[in-house]
Amino acid sequence: EAQVTQNPRYLITVTGKKLTVTCSQNMNHEYMSWYRQDPGLGLRQIYYSMNVEVTDKGDVPEGYKVSRKEKRNFPLILESPSPNQTSLYFCATGPLDNTREQFFGPGTRLTVL
Amino acid sequence: AQSVTQLDSQVPVFEEAPVELRCNYSSSVSVYLFWYVQYPNQGLQLLLKYLSGSTLVKGINGFEAEFNKSQTSFHLRKPSVHISDTAEYFCAVRRGQAEKLVFGKGTKLTVNP
Repeated sequence: EAQVTQNPRYLITVTGKKLTVTCSQNMNHEYMSWYRQDPGLGLRQIYYSMNVEVTDKGDVPEGYKVSRKEKRNFPLILESPSPNQTSLYFCATGPLDNTREQFFGPGTRLTVL
Repeated sequence: AQSVTQLDSQVPVFEEAPVELRCNYSSSVSVYLFWYVQYPNQGLQLLLKYLSGSTLVKGINGFEAEFNKSQTSFHLRKPSVHISDTAEYFCAVRRGQAEKLVFGKGTKLTVNP
């Protein structure tokens, strides 16, 4: 079954404590991306990756890091989380063909106290 | 910069009534257009997409959308809604060959009995 998985699904943490949210896909997609969703703001892109070892900033990259060491994984790293990073995070993947459709993971709800 | 405007943040309707969710975009070049649905506590799921060809696009769950290039619109319609259609709907645009998917802020559709 084609899947995009995220872990954890829910996380409550404190300011400054480093955390990683994992994203994994089994569809052999080249493109992977992270979004955050906030009420009234829709989805905003944080980072994306076109292939292994290729990453680039989206609209709101401050305070986040990513890596793409393997095609299937695209972890999102918050080195020093702050309360304004409390949000719902989605990983998305897609092929680099003309459809450019994106498949979304189930989301990770992060609360930073 | 490219933008997507969803004109209504909330749309309440009664069951079996028709509904139209509006989406306008700004772009001077050709675009690819998408509608995604997010059911409560879930990720985003593709409803339909316009890549080229016929301007009337049919999607899942009885939804359809019409691409209007002169009005730069891509409104989503359903002739008769069900309670189960209650969800948040996002319009998204990808410009040309660019990878970035730009989302609108979403429209919450509430279907009442």
